[in-house]
Amino acid sequence: NFILTQPHSVSESPGKTVTISCTRNSGSIASKYVQWYQLRPGSSPIIVIYEDNQRPPGVPDRFSGSIDSSSNSASLTISGLRADDEADYYCQSMDSSNVVFGGGTKLTVL
Amino acid sequence: EIQLVESGGGLVQPGRSLRLSCAASGFIFKDYAMHWVRLVPGRGLEWVSGISWNGVSRGYAESVEGRFTISRDNAKNSLYLQMNDLRVEDTAVYYCAKVRAPVVYYYMDDWGRGTTVTVSS
Repeated sequence: NFILTQPHSVSESPGKTVTISCTRNSGSIASKYVQWYQLRPGSSPIIVIYEDNQRPPGVPDRFSGSIDSSSNSASLTISGLRADDEADYYCQSMDSSNVVFGGGTKLTVL
Repeated sequence: EIQLVESGGGLVQPGRSLRLSCAASGFIFKDYAMHWVRLVPGRGLEWVSGISWNGVSRGYAESVEGRFTISRDNAKNSLYLQMNDLRVEDTAVYYCAKVRAPVVYYYMDDWGRGTTVTVSS
């Protein structure tokens, strides 16, 4: 099994841009797709990025995803931050017999 | 509209059993794999188990292997999780999630509201 490591928390002001990283400790980050989920308190998880950089219908283009093989990591970037972007964000990937989530990052919009 | 409604959670003593259910509607249930994922206080989201569209392929997290069993009834549009020998560390909100494909190891695109399981003496 591999581990996905995320920063515990990030914060930024409304209107600014924030990037959340997700680093894979073994195996290539490019070997399996990475997804990102948003989880607000009291709500269900919502997928905001799938297959590394694809946005589901209804997710604003302020949300974008990427992978970087040199750092073996994935990133979620949110631009034009809004108060309702405040939530926990989880990266997720898998191998042939496991689904792995990162530890989650709490985004605070100051 | 896709709906996934979990039920069966509650307060249970360590070592006892519980069976969770997930009622699905708004999509062709038999065409998609399904997962159980839990939100553990202080630890975040954890994958529990997944099952393919026809129930043939199943996967489990190491932490629940041998104690939990996932199953589905396509005629009833329902997903289940039988949880035996429950431990305090199984305390969590349990979500049912639909996979974007018939196979187990693909991403989850719709989630239920969750049901809370508390294991305590």
